[in-house]
Amino acid sequence: GAGVSQTPSNKVTEKGKYVELRCDPISGHTALYWYRQSLGQGPEFLIYFQGTGAADDSGLPNDRFFAVRPEGSVSTLKIQRTERGDSAVYLCASSPAGGGWDGYTFGSGTRLTVV
Amino acid sequence: DAKTTQPNSMESNEEEPVHLPCNHSTISGTDYIHWYRQLPSQGPEYVIHGLTSNVNNRMASLAIAEDRKSSTLILHRATLRDAAVYYCILSSLNTDKLIFGTGTRLQVFP
Repeated sequence: GAGVSQTPSNKVTEKGKYVELRCDPISGHTALYWYRQSLGQGPEFLIYFQGTGAADDSGLPNDRFFAVRPEGSVSTLKIQRTERGDSAVYLCASSPAGGGWDGYTFGSGTRLTVV
Repeated sequence: DAKTTQPNSMESNEEEPVHLPCNHSTISGTDYIHWYRQLPSQGPEYVIHGLTSNVNNRMASLAIAEDRKSSTLILHRATLRDAAVYYCILSSLNTDKLIFGTGTRLQVFP
């Protein structure tokens, strides 16, 4: 596709449930990033993939959060035992290579609401 | 990661130039200066980046102080579509993540 696609665009779930958020990066982009954004704040880094491997997962808040990218393209962010504090917009970005100076392309995000 | 300081908000009239400042007094020699903007209900969008020299592209210009402790994003003629939150971010060569602050909310009036 032309851009980074994230599905679903909106997700409402009950506290304690498990959710999966999907990111389709731009074809050929080897680097993929997950961020989350709370209201009124800038995006907060969660995890970065280079190919299939997580190169930096230092932003994952706890072990309820996990992300995979098994074939080096699509990535899934998984949240177990969701809490109301997990409510946020989850953003995905990709770039042709790591390094930060290539310019990242972001998706429009998945708005997660935990009730 | 080095920190940046930006005003919380700025206002401009349509068709006028806008200068968005960013202070980064603790910048290291390998830090690039990046600017992204975020329109309502969208993900951030890359605007421009630079290291030492001033940079121009179709969206904006980036003016970097000689000591690199500050920079200015210049929108030459603001339009209503430029209303967004603008983020100034430093990224060193050996890390690949962008650390966002709270940015500057730009309002553009007709």
